[in-house]
Amino acid sequence: DTGVSQNPRHKITKRGQNVTFRCDPISEHNRLYWYRQTLGQGPEFLTYFQNEAQLEKSRLLSDRFSAERPKGSFSTLEIQRTEQGDSAMYLCASSSVLNDEKLFFGSGTQLSVL
Amino acid sequence: GDSVTQMEGPVTLSEEAFLTINCTYTATGYPSLFWYVQYPGEGLQLLLKATKADDKGSNKGFEATYRKETTSFHLEKGSVQVSDSAVYFCALSEWGGATNKLIFGTGTLLAVQP
Repeated sequence: DTGVSQNPRHKITKRGQNVTFRCDPISEHNRLYWYRQTLGQGPEFLTYFQNEAQLEKSRLLSDRFSAERPKGSFSTLEIQRTEQGDSAMYLCASSSVLNDEKLFFGSGTQLSVL
Repeated sequence: GDSVTQMEGPVTLSEEAFLTINCTYTATGYPSLFWYVQYPGEGLQLLLKATKADDKGSNKGFEATYRKETTSFHLEKGSVQVSDSAVYFCALSEWGGATNKLIFGTGTLLAVQP
């Protein structure tokens, strides 16, 4: 069990640029979640995959955001035309169908949009 | 919609002091309740959970009881240690949803001094 891995750990970008983050879940976990956390707040749900299928998206997720999990393993979250309000910690979590209420979180990708 | 409210921090205690972090929730149905902990530089980790009314979750000396009548899930520990210093998040999973989407509180920073 190597844990949930997220890359990069930090990303600084200029407003208007596109960014992509990667999440590698625990290998046998078929469920994968993306959350966003801003300073002083708890994580907010963005989207959820079961295997390669994206089953739920939050209304927080504007059409500038897209997430994929093409082979049911790693996932990517892309933000197009970044805005300063996108600055946040982006968290990935995974869980097993056998114990789906226990989420394992990665350390997150901290995005700063200048 | 469902929500979680937890006491604001920081909470500063001396080692071996008694800890209570209050958490109340608003939800339809019968959600599961969780406490997650985030140590400095690490991802969120599940600390304990309770899935139905009057259940008590416990782990590492921490306890919380699911109180439906008061819609609360307060976290307690009889004797804190310096190593307990972290941010604690109360959360619920929406009842009846297809996913285990978590709704988090804003987090409470605990600082334990030797």
